[in-house]
Amino acid sequence: EPEVTQTPSHQVTQMGQEVILRCVPISNHLYFYWYRQILGQKVEFLVSFYNNEISEKSEIFDDQFSVERPDGSNFTLKIRSTKLEDSAMYFCASSEGHSRSYEQYFGPGTRLTVT
Amino acid sequence: TQLLEQSPQFLSIQEGENLTVYCNSSSVFSSLQWYRQEPGEGPVLLVTVVTGGEVKKLKRLTFQFGDARKDSSLHITAAQTGDTGLYLCATTFYGQNFVFGPGTRLSVLP
Repeated sequence: EPEVTQTPSHQVTQMGQEVILRCVPISNHLYFYWYRQILGQKVEFLVSFYNNEISEKSEIFDDQFSVERPDGSNFTLKIRSTKLEDSAMYFCASSEGHSRSYEQYFGPGTRLTVT
Repeated sequence: TQLLEQSPQFLSIQEGENLTVYCNSSSVFSSLQWYRQEPGEGPVLLVTVVTGGEVKKLKRLTFQFGDARKDSSLHITAAQTGDTGLYLCATTFYGQNFVFGPGTRLSVLP
């Protein structure tokens, strides 16, 4: 069964460093998403991406964040200058479409720890 | 931003018991997804409900979408220890992006 994959599973970085989180969405899906989940809190939407551009972003997704689809398979989230409060699980998701019945499939997540 | 509420927040039951968890909002859902999340893992999609009044069954799990499309319930019959996890509802309110509820953390004891 096709699945979303993410690498690395765990990333430790120092405050102020840049990190890139990688995702391989399900191959026939057209919409891609990043979410984060701070420990013990809700899953929060960050950004959606379609046709090589951002379609929606939340207030969390500020100038330190960027997304890219550098090739036909990878979808990346870059955090330019990490802060302690960026420590969280980051989930990538993908879906076939964006209609009211669309279903998003999630990857296993990357645990980001900023020290 | 529209909010999803889930209840109860925590639920601990014995294996074999039945349970129901709820998801609701003051606004109408366009559709609703139920996910289960285990610690350190991503949410796993269980079901999508789209039509008001819809009932879907997935083995021992029964999902119901309220007639007014503002609430949904998940009923588990004869719970098993493998049902333990965080049950999340999620939706896209009209014109907004995906929103998750805070979840119901279920613990099924042997």
